[in-house]
Amino acid sequence: KNQVEQSPQSLIILEGKNCTLQCNYTVSPFSNLRWYKQDTGRGPVSLTIMTFSENTKSNGRYTATLDADTKQSSLHITASQLSDSASYICVVNPGGYNKLIFGAGTRLAVHP
Amino acid sequence: DAGITQSPRHKVTETGTPVTLRCHQTENHRYMYWYRQDPGHGLRLIHYSYGVKDTDKGEVSDGYSVSRSKTEDFLLTLESATSSQTSVYFCAISETGTGGQSSYNEQFFGPGTRLTVL
Repeated sequence: KNQVEQSPQSLIILEGKNCTLQCNYTVSPFSNLRWYKQDTGRGPVSLTIMTFSENTKSNGRYTATLDADTKQSSLHITASQLSDSASYICVVNPGGYNKLIFGAGTRLAVHP
Repeated sequence: DAGITQSPRHKVTETGTPVTLRCHQTENHRYMYWYRQDPGHGLRLIHYSYGVKDTDKGEVSDGYSVSRSKTEDFLLTLESATSSQTSVYFCAISETGTGGQSSYNEQFFGPGTRLTVL
């Protein structure tokens, strides 16, 4: 069964600290992997998208990594800000027609 | 939210009543999607459309129907709402589908509609 699992479910960090969110998937075949940020009460917004040949992709203070062999991805947030408080969702595209597989998300709270 | 609006943003209704949610886009994207988001679950696809009057089912389509009579509008209807349909509903759009060489293309999400069925 195609699944995307994220850990931890929730995380609290202090402003200015770094953190890493994990995503493990059992989706096959694999086309690409996306990370979305979802602020409370808003729709998800794309942060990065990577194909199997891309190991790392950055978007400002956000850096995503992908290991297609172990089927793991991580999202690293550097020098966190209060505005980073949100849910972060890992999404795998198996390349099939419009069948994205969404993880349940990690809820991050950044405290001053 | 990438030129996507959803209406209503909040709705409370009673079991057994019909409900229609509307998604409107100004991006002229061909593909439109309806998802539901529930605590502890990832977003799940209900229905999608790949053109005017062209729609297909997603993984959780039971109890839902859709219609698309214009490029810019995609309607989701709950014919007879049940408490299990209490959820947050998101509309998304994309220029192309997610398969094949278009798989890199992004989906843009609307702000969501919170539906409560009592």
